[in-house]
Amino acid sequence: AQSVAQPEDQVNVAEGNPLTVKCTYSVSGNPYLFWYVQYPNRGLQFLLKYITGDNLVKGSYGFEAEFNKSQTSFHLKKPSALVSDSALYFCAVRYFKAAGNKLTFGGGTRVLVKP
Amino acid sequence: DAGVTQSPTHLIKTRGQQVTLRCSPKSGHDTVSWYQQALGQGPQFIFQYYEEEERQRGNFPDRFSGHQFPNYSSELNVNALLLGDSALYLCASSLSALAGKEQFFGPGTRLTVL
Repeated sequence: AQSVAQPEDQVNVAEGNPLTVKCTYSVSGNPYLFWYVQYPNRGLQFLLKYITGDNLVKGSYGFEAEFNKSQTSFHLKKPSALVSDSALYFCAVRYFKAAGNKLTFGGGTRVLVKP
Repeated sequence: DAGVTQSPTHLIKTRGQQVTLRCSPKSGHDTVSWYQQALGQGPQFIFQYYEEEERQRGNFPDRFSGHQFPNYSSELNVNALLLGDSALYLCASSLSALAGKEQFFGPGTRLTVL
């Protein structure tokens, strides 16, 4: 079984400050990990993914994430948050050996960036 | 290049009715997945279609069924609607069903069951 936990329902940060959104996962074997962002009344937009290789992954809009196998974490980060980053963020996991590419999502973290 | 499109945008049905939602994948994509996103929750996987066959299925009852057409577009059908089926239904497409391929999501269909 595979599962994802996003321990914070909401993260508040001032514009210009660093932003971190936490994600931990549980999967049998090596994971494929993804971050998506959802704006109001919109679908999910892909930000970045970890498949293999460098533990630090860079993605869209200045976001990056660090894969930590020992802590089974894949935290999303942005050095300097913008008001426009306010949205709902989802972490998702996929077990790489299983057939198909079904994603298991966390419950989401709402990010509020204040001016 | 059009992304994933879904229709209709919104839908209101009553309990016991049937509904069909439609999805056109991103150009060049051949795999379509459907997810249900209840209010305040993360998306839950319903099923995935590849080569016109259902390849994977999540923990959803048989009332949820689907189809994929030769042009890779897809339909999600829900029979005997329940109040609990009210949700945002998301379609996602990818190039092949390989595990490492990211999925691109459409804007969703908001279904309200009264």
